[in-house]
Amino acid sequence: DTAVSQTPKYLVTQMGNDKSIKCEQNLGHDTMYWYKQDSKKFLKIMFSYNNKELIINETVPNRFSPKSPDKAHLNLHINSLELGDSAVYFCASSQGLGLTSGITNEQFFGPGTRLTVL
Amino acid sequence: QKEVEQDPGPLSVPEGAIVSLNCTYSNSAFQYFMWYRQYSRKGPELLMYTYSSGNKEDGRFTAQVDKSSKYISLFIRDSQPSDSATYLCAMRPTGFQKLVFGTGTRLLVSP
Repeated sequence: DTAVSQTPKYLVTQMGNDKSIKCEQNLGHDTMYWYKQDSKKFLKIMFSYNNKELIINETVPNRFSPKSPDKAHLNLHINSLELGDSAVYFCASSQGLGLTSGITNEQFFGPGTRLTVL
Repeated sequence: QKEVEQDPGPLSVPEGAIVSLNCTYSNSAFQYFMWYRQYSRKGPELLMYTYSSGNKEDGRFTAQVDKSSKYISLFIRDSQPSDSATYLCAMRPTGFQKLVFGTGTRLLVSP
């Protein structure tokens, strides 16, 4: 009954490979996110989708391509992996865009995918 | 300069101590202030949130926001070893869902 799930949990791969990470949420939320957490624990947003529409696209290399087949899923595909891509990638979801004053749109995080590029 | 600054620690305290965790920020548009707790090898989980200024209390946890100083705090009373984790502050403006996180403070509570 995990709320936000990610697969795989660990991913070890060689430089230059292409890999995908999958995320699913069963909370009925309409907004999903990808975050990257580096070795110093700094958590930075990469992308956000609302109802399958791209809302936030931070300054991320175009080797990273998110895809949302439906509201409950948000996948991340990474081409030509580089050493600097090694990090923990977190998926999160929330209800709404946080536009209502006084109400936070709590983001629920998945367990993370630890990517190691060799 | 980062939008949100947070001392990475580690902060080591004995069980039962009062813990004070802090963040400063530069963007005066921030209105929502949150504290996330992240255990090792887990995803962050929301602990407390405050809208605009003021205090909020939940059990052993108190969140404070001082917008005039651009300073937020999380106090943990009667700290327990199970509180050992990394605490991340996060904030965003009204009408914009993009959360900006601090780097996190690692807290170690020894029995």
